[in-house]
Amino acid sequence: QQPVQSPQAVILREGEDAVINCSSSKALYSVHWYRQKHGEAPVFLMILLKGGEQKGHEKISASFNEKKQQSSLYLTASQLSYSGTYFCGTEVTGRRALTFGSGTRLQVQP
Amino acid sequence: DAGVIQSPRHEVTEMGQEVTLRCKPISGHDYLFWYRQTMMRGLELLIYFNNNVPIDDSGMPEDRFSAKMPNASFSTLKIQPSEPRDSAVYFCASSLTGGGFAQPQHFGDGTRLSIL
Repeated sequence: QQPVQSPQAVILREGEDAVINCSSSKALYSVHWYRQKHGEAPVFLMILLKGGEQKGHEKISASFNEKKQQSSLYLTASQLSYSGTYFCGTEVTGRRALTFGSGTRLQVQP
Repeated sequence: DAGVIQSPRHEVTEMGQEVTLRCKPISGHDYLFWYRQTMMRGLELLIYFNNNVPIDDSGMPEDRFSAKMPNASFSTLKIQPSEPRDSAVYFCASSLTGGGFAQPQHFGDGTRLSIL
C-alpha cells in the first residue's frame, strides 16, 4: 500500500522553510527520501531507520516517528536548488524494495 | 565511480514491437531494481533481484513483461508485444546488502519509452 505524502505541492520564497510528511499504514523498517528534478532520475537524500532517528543533509533534515509510522522532511532556509519533486519510499522488514509516495512538488521562487 | 547505466535513453517504437531495456548496476551492488514512472501511477516497482536471482516480480504488469539478470553486471527488461499504455520512464536502481542496515538505492538516468 502506497504511503501518503502531504502536501501535494508547495511554493516557497527563497529562505523560507517547509515540511513534507509521509505516512504509512504498515510497520516500517525504514523510510527513504529522494528528490527528483524534471527529466532527471531520483536522487537519494537520506534514510531514516525505525527508532526515531533524525538525520541531516546540509539544511535538509528528517525524522521518523515509529509509533505513528510517519516521517517528516524539513527544509530550512530554502534555496532555488531545492526545487523539485520529493518522494518518500518506505521499506518493510524482509522486503528490500521501496514503495513510493505520490510525491510533493516543491517550487522555490526568488 | 560510474553510476547505474541504462540504455537506451530514449526509445520510440510502434505497438506490437519488442522492446528491450538494459541496465548495468554499480559494481559490487548485489540488489537491482526495475521501476516504472508515469503521471497516473507514479513510481512503482516492477521487479527486483538479489545476487542475480529474482526475488519479487509481483509488480510486473503482465506476461508481456519479462526481466533477466544473467550476471552481476547486466540486467534486461523486455516487453513483447509492446502497447501504447507501456509508455513511461523506466528506471533501474541498485544497492548494497548493508549488513542489516538500510541502504540507499542509486538510480540510473532512466529510459523514456514511447509506444505509438
